[in-house]
Amino acid sequence: GAVVSQHPSWVICKSGTSVKIECRSLDFQATTMFWYRQFPKQSLMLMATSNEGSKATYEQGVEKDKFLINHASLTLSTLTVTSAHPEDSSFYICSATSGRAYGYTFGSGTRLTVV
Amino acid sequence: TQLLEQSPQFLSIQEGENLTVYCNSSSVFSSLQWYRQEPGEGPVLLVTVVTGGEVKKLKRLTFQFGDARKDSSLHITAAQPGDTGLYLCAGGSQGNLIFGKGTKLSVKP
Repeated sequence: GAVVSQHPSWVICKSGTSVKIECRSLDFQATTMFWYRQFPKQSLMLMATSNEGSKATYEQGVEKDKFLINHASLTLSTLTVTSAHPEDSSFYICSATSGRAYGYTFGSGTRLTVV
Repeated sequence: TQLLEQSPQFLSIQEGENLTVYCNSSSVFSSLQWYRQEPGEGPVLLVTVVTGGEVKKLKRLTFQFGDARKDSSLHITAAQPGDTGLYLCAGGSQGNLIFGKGTKLSVKP
């Protein structure tokens, strides 16, 4: 079955630094990848949608200059949290699809803690 | 804006009991998916339903998609502690997935 690898699983960083999270589709080509944020005891909130080779589409209220998304290949998308603040601490999850009407595979998530 | 309302938000039951989780919307979805998520992990797909009125069974789990494709339900028979987790419904529309807020299920032995 389709597998999506997300790395790192958890990261602790200092305020003001940047953190990069990788999302890789291991056995399929992901034409579209999605980035979500999930706060404790809440559901997944879509942050942005990225298509390979084009700029990401951000959801309302998500700062594109703070959350940089790059989808340079059909198997890799990265999310960089720039100038991180404690309020950016959250669980970030990516998902990928090969473009079917249904069929999304999720990564295992990245727990970001900004101290 | 398309929204998916899930109920109940929290459910705590004893092992062996049955339960039903609901997912409702005022919008029509081309497909609807159910996921189960454990703490610290990403959601894992349980089932996808695409046809109005469709019923799918996965061992003790029964999923139903409403005739109008606006709602769905998940029924678990004889719940076990291993069923504990966050159950999320998600509707597919124009290539995006919209998630409900989830139902946190706790099954006590």
